[in-house]
Amino acid sequence: DAGVIQSPRHEVTEMGQEVTLRCKPISGHDYLFWYRQTMMRGLELLIYFNNNVPIDDSGMPEDRFSAKMPNASFSTLKIQPSEPRDSAVYFCASSPRGHSYNEQFFGPGTRLTVL
Amino acid sequence: GENVEQHPSTLSVQEGDNSIINCAYSNSASDYFIWYKQESGKGPQFIIDIRSNMDKRQGQRVTVLLNKTVKHLSLQIAATQPGDSAVYFCAENRNSYKLIFGSGTRLLVRP
Repeated sequence: DAGVIQSPRHEVTEMGQEVTLRCKPISGHDYLFWYRQTMMRGLELLIYFNNNVPIDDSGMPEDRFSAKMPNASFSTLKIQPSEPRDSAVYFCASSPRGHSYNEQFFGPGTRLTVL
Repeated sequence: GENVEQHPSTLSVQEGDNSIINCAYSNSASDYFIWYKQESGKGPQFIIDIRSNMDKRQGQRVTVLLNKTVKHLSLQIAATQPGDSAVYFCAENRNSYKLIFGSGTRLLVRP
């Protein structure tokens, strides 16, 4: 299996622009997670889905952030408009149904820089 | 509140020595404690977990100790190797998929 796939791996944009991050979970995994990692705040869960339905979005910072999962093999995290403080590494992770809550399979991340 | 603190922030050890990374938590309601390893340029990778009703769990070259009295968790790596160089995170959860991560400990292995 190829593991969790994220694109792009690096994104540099200017303040005010829309940014879309993409994720393909491991085939057969029912849970999908979006995390953000920064030096200041560490690794934070933004939102997670079960069977394409958002379950907990309490970590989404504000209305500028939105996430969708139109089907079992694809999810997007959108930031509109982007701000310099959104600069971070964004990780997508997935986990199979019935598996341990604790083992989540992370992708390689997208490093976002907002100028 | 939700708080998981790790120390030290950086640990430098000689190859072959044992490494100990510590974690302090505040919430007694946690069901599990988990350790992840993050190598440079990669996403975190699950290492091992321990249920809150256990004191010790062992894996391949790793041992997790849990002291609920003082709310302390540690990860011990035996015979540390260059491939162990990474940032290690402890995390907790309360019977859900929402993991609360610590701030991380960078492990440096000297040859």
